[in-house]
Amino acid sequence: DTAVSQTPKYLVTQMGNDKSIKCEQNLGHDTMYWYKQDSKKFLKIMFSYNNKELIINETVPNRFSPKSPDKAHLNLHINSLELGDSAVYFCASSYGGGETQYFGPGTRLLVL
Amino acid sequence: GENVEQHPSTLSVQEGDSAVIKCTYSDSASNYFPWYKQELGKRPQLIIDIRSNVGEKKDQRIAVTLNKTAKHFSLHITETQPEDSAVYFCAGLRGGGNKLTFGTGTQLKVEL
Repeated sequence: DTAVSQTPKYLVTQMGNDKSIKCEQNLGHDTMYWYKQDSKKFLKIMFSYNNKELIINETVPNRFSPKSPDKAHLNLHINSLELGDSAVYFCASSYGGGETQYFGPGTRLLVL
Repeated sequence: GENVEQHPSTLSVQEGDSAVIKCTYSDSASNYFPWYKQELGKRPQLIIDIRSNVGEKKDQRIAVTLNKTAKHFSLHITETQPEDSAVYFCAGLRGGGNKLTFGTGTQLKVEL
């Protein structure tokens, strides 16, 4: 009965590799988000989709590409990984305009 | 865009004491202010929120107050317990918007 799930939970990889993180929600929400939490715990929005349409696209390197195949799924693909990409990436979902967001468990990415 | 400042960055209290965390926001069009609690290694979870048409909201030991004129809002935790130890984030959402802007977090430690 997991509300917002992410895979993988941990990801350790070498610089230059390409990796993907997947997110799924079974809450019936129509909006999903990707956040990055760095080592200082700052939570920053990266992207948001509403009904498969991109509505928030913050200043993020174009090595990061989100994809939403349907409103219950939001994936994040990262090309040419860099050391500075090491962080915890959280997926979240909500109804409509940003209120009451439910977060996934996070994906801890370590780039070596 | 919205800017949310949060103070203090760390807060240490004795068990049973009260804790207060303060946030200020810049966008006068913001009308939704949630508070999230993040335990170590876990996901952020919504603990209480307030909308701009309300000055105060309480839920058991936690309360949030909002001063729209001064553009600041605060989280109050009474009778603190060790399980209250976590990082707390405030956030603000502009009316009609989708982007939740988070404060920088407060590490609360409740000591026995």
